Amino acid sequence: DAEITQSPRHKITETGRQVTLACHQTWNHNNMFWYRQDLGHGLRLIHYSYGVQDTNKGEVSDGYSVSRSNTEDLPLTLESAASSQTSVYFCASSGVQGRNEQFFGPGTRLTVL
Amino acid sequence: AQSVSQHNHHVILSEAASLELGCNYSYGGTVNLFWYVQYPGQHLQLLLKYFSGDPLVKGIKGFEAEFIKSKFSFNLRKPSVQWSDTAEYFCAVTGADDMRFGAGTRLTVKP
Repeated sequence: DAEITQSPRHKITETGRQVTLACHQTWNHNNMFWYRQDLGHGLRLIHYSYGVQDTNKGEVSDGYSVSRSNTEDLPLTLESAASSQTSVYFCASSGVQGRNEQFFGPGTRLTVL
Repeated sequence: AQSVSQHNHHVILSEAASLELGCNYSYGGTVNLFWYVQYPGQHLQLLLKYFSGDPLVKGIKGFEAEFIKSKFSFNLRKPSVQWSDTAEYFCAVTGADDMRFGAGTRLTVKP
């Protein structure tokens, strides 16, 4: 069965360190998304990609970057982790640009000390 | 920019009570509307979606939602909730580009 996996599922890091969260999907979807989930804010879009070599900023992109070198993977990098980036991060994918349902991964809980 | 508002932050119901969760969106063009559910410790799952056609949409687990274009609303309903419906519910809207989520409504169903 097709799925989205995220790794690690839990991560504790220190302020200033670079952290990369992995997202891998086997749906063969062109569109991939990264969200962060915080209490009272729901899910907020960080970055998204509509295909290989395509990346776009979402509403809370500062301090994050992504790269898309193949269809299956969209790693999210925190260049210099800050305590404000402590959150749960969800990766998602969809098959039709912008308008279709998204399928979500299990999430990564990141704590920045 | 499109936005989504969920006015109920936390709803507490007893089993068998009826449920209605409000969702209003702000977007001038054609939209697709979704309700997702997140059970404790799990990822988001799709409950139902509206693209076009009949404004009353039926989803999984007895949930339904009604799209009222004039009110920019897409409220979620269930006639009789169960303890297992305890979860967080998110309304989402897509326009031409990305998907925007509401802040979520936490539903607690007391047995």
